[in-house]
Amino acid sequence: QVQLQESGPGLVKPSQTLSLTCTVSAGSISSGGYFWTWIRQHPGKGLEWIGFIHYTGSAYYNPSLKSRITMSLDTSKNQFSLSLNSLTAADTAIYYCARGSWDYFDSWGQGTLVSVSS
Amino acid sequence: DIQMTQSPSSVSASVGDRVTITCRASQGISSWLAWYQHKPGKAPKLLIYAASSLESGVPSRFSGSGSGTEFILTISSLQPEDFATYYCQQAKSLPRTFGPGTKVDI
Repeated sequence: QVQLQESGPGLVKPSQTLSLTCTVSAGSISSGGYFWTWIRQHPGKGLEWIGFIHYTGSAYYNPSLKSRITMSLDTSKNQFSLSLNSLTAADTAIYYCARGSWDYFDSWGQGTLVSVSS
Repeated sequence: DIQMTQSPSSVSASVGDRVTITCRASQGISSWLAWYQHKPGKAPKLLIYAASSLESGVPSRFSGSGSGTEFILTISSLQPEDFATYYCQQAKSLPRTFGPGTKVDI
């Protein structure tokens, strides 16, 4: 069964860039036609879809974040990544990576808390 | 964006109870809806997709129904491991959007 694990800094300063990586095990990110996804949850709030990237490299982003996001794949390491720039306190959240189809997300990581503070 | 709402926001229930959660979409989404279960500190889990299809490995006490703008998740007999927060998600259009969640507790 595929497993996903997020990694990255727990604390980032305002205006800086957040870089998160999701390591996928028991499954290849370059097979199966999946969409590799980032979702976040603000403290005490619901879930927000950030975007996903197909194994072909095509990426789709939430318009509310599009100007600040870049997603990428590293097939040699079986990882995919999220870069989010110009951080503010509003970006403080638990960030989840997930595997999905175009429609739904069938496997998730446990999430990593990112705090934006000086 | 399609807005998703859920009711109730929380429900107190006991083991063995039947629990129903309603999800509404701001516009018709046909059957493009999923339900997820989320426990604190754990990975969210896909329960139902396409409004009523049970994900592999999910107990049959979970069921989903509805189409268009109104959907229901039913837990027929609540078990101790079912205490969690439940989210709906629309898959009709981008950006994907989720409901605010329904917390099921004792």
